[in-house]
Amino acid sequence: DQQVKQNSPSLSVQEGRISILNCDYTNSMFDYFLWYKKYPAEGPTFLISISSIKDKNEDGRFTVFLNKSAKHLSLHIVPSQPGDSAVYFCAASALGGFKTIFGAGTRLFVKA
Amino acid sequence: DAGVTQSPTHLIKTRGQQVTLRCSPKSGHDTVSWYQQALGQGPQFIFQYYEEEERQRGNFPDRFSGHQFPNYSSELNVNALLLGDSALYLCASSLAGVYEQYFGPGTRLTVT
Repeated sequence: DQQVKQNSPSLSVQEGRISILNCDYTNSMFDYFLWYKKYPAEGPTFLISISSIKDKNEDGRFTVFLNKSAKHLSLHIVPSQPGDSAVYFCAASALGGFKTIFGAGTRLFVKA
Repeated sequence: DAGVTQSPTHLIKTRGQQVTLRCSPKSGHDTVSWYQQALGQGPQFIFQYYEEEERQRGNFPDRFSGHQFPNYSSELNVNALLLGDSALYLCASSLAGVYEQYFGPGTRLTVT
């Protein structure tokens, strides 16, 4: 039962260019979406989030877009930096965060 | 300010044995969630504890149980270990009603 899907296992981008990571979900009850970043040997770190009542949220180089009709969200990183190389997880939640469902992750490689 | 801490870091157990993993939440946080992350997968929600009670549970058998103490720290217990229980177990803490979670570095459990 994959309610949150990240269909690209990996993505390679040149330093300075835009990175776009995609995520699809199936459960209409989700009302909050989050992106986490994970480096090896560390736990995931919260990056950015968006409420279902918005369609865009921006924080510095990171922007998340939400398309509710398509049940799709994306994370844009501009400009990409080598330090952004990590695994990015899309996550979705409902009911005030009682339960959070994660996607399988996308490994981002930013080449210098 | 100490973040989320977990112990032990690594653990090797034999099939059929029982294991207890421990988690101390970030200072000020009152809610603890546990996740299982298999290789190449995203974190899978096991359960969440708040006010010493299990508030929500994922699709895990009763062999997985937990506890939250008055100081908000938590334990995850797994009985009758199976080979398939080998994974990284992540603990995450948050404030009640807040979606963003802070993760610990995880406990790597290997069942032989």
